[in-house]
Amino acid sequence: NAGVMQNPRHLVRRRGQEARLRCSPMKGHSHVYWYRQLPEEGLKFMVYLQKENIIDESGMPKERFSAEFPKEGPSILRIQQVVRGDSAAYFCASSRGQSNQPQHFGDGTRLSIL
Amino acid sequence: AQSVSQHNHHVILSEAASLELGCNYSYGGTVNLFWYVQYPGQHLQLLLKYFSGDPLVKGIKGFEAEFIKSKFSFNLRKPSVQWSDTAEYFCAVNGRPGSARQLTFGSGTQLTVLP
Repeated sequence: NAGVMQNPRHLVRRRGQEARLRCSPMKGHSHVYWYRQLPEEGLKFMVYLQKENIIDESGMPKERFSAEFPKEGPSILRIQQVVRGDSAAYFCASSRGQSNQPQHFGDGTRLSIL
Repeated sequence: AQSVSQHNHHVILSEAASLELGCNYSYGGTVNLFWYVQYPGQHLQLLLKYFSGDPLVKGIKGFEAEFIKSKFSFNLRKPSVQWSDTAEYFCAVNGRPGSARQLTFGSGTQLTVLP
């Protein structure tokens, strides 16, 4: 069984460019979560999605960040006009529908802003 | 709002030493509790989880954790560590049905086991 697949593993962007991070959940998982890990910190929740719906985006910055999980294809985390402070590791997790199911994490995308 | 505190930022042990990593949480409702491990360059892996029932939970690789409700704690233990246990360990919590599913993580504890 393939785990949670994230790509790219590493992404380098210049300030002002756009970053697109992709996440394919585990087979059978319909819930996707995005987390951000800054250096020397734990993971911070950003957004929780089900297919075609954003359930909770309380952890996502109001500007420049957006997320989607279309009916077909991977979940996308999009960062527009990136700034140095966006440099971090971005992790995606997925789970089944039931609330007592644990989240399984991908390898993360390490975003570096020049 | 819920929060998770991990008391030790960095722990260094010799092989065969016993391990206990502290985790305290604050949350107004009933919680699910987790420990994840992140080996260098790898993704987070679930070590163990507590949803209900026996407060002493056994996980993979010889790890266990005890949920003490009165202390809001979920400390991770292992009787004898190995060099391969060198990794970063994260405690996490989320709420029960009807409340938030997203995980709130502690800041992590880096464990270094010396051979």
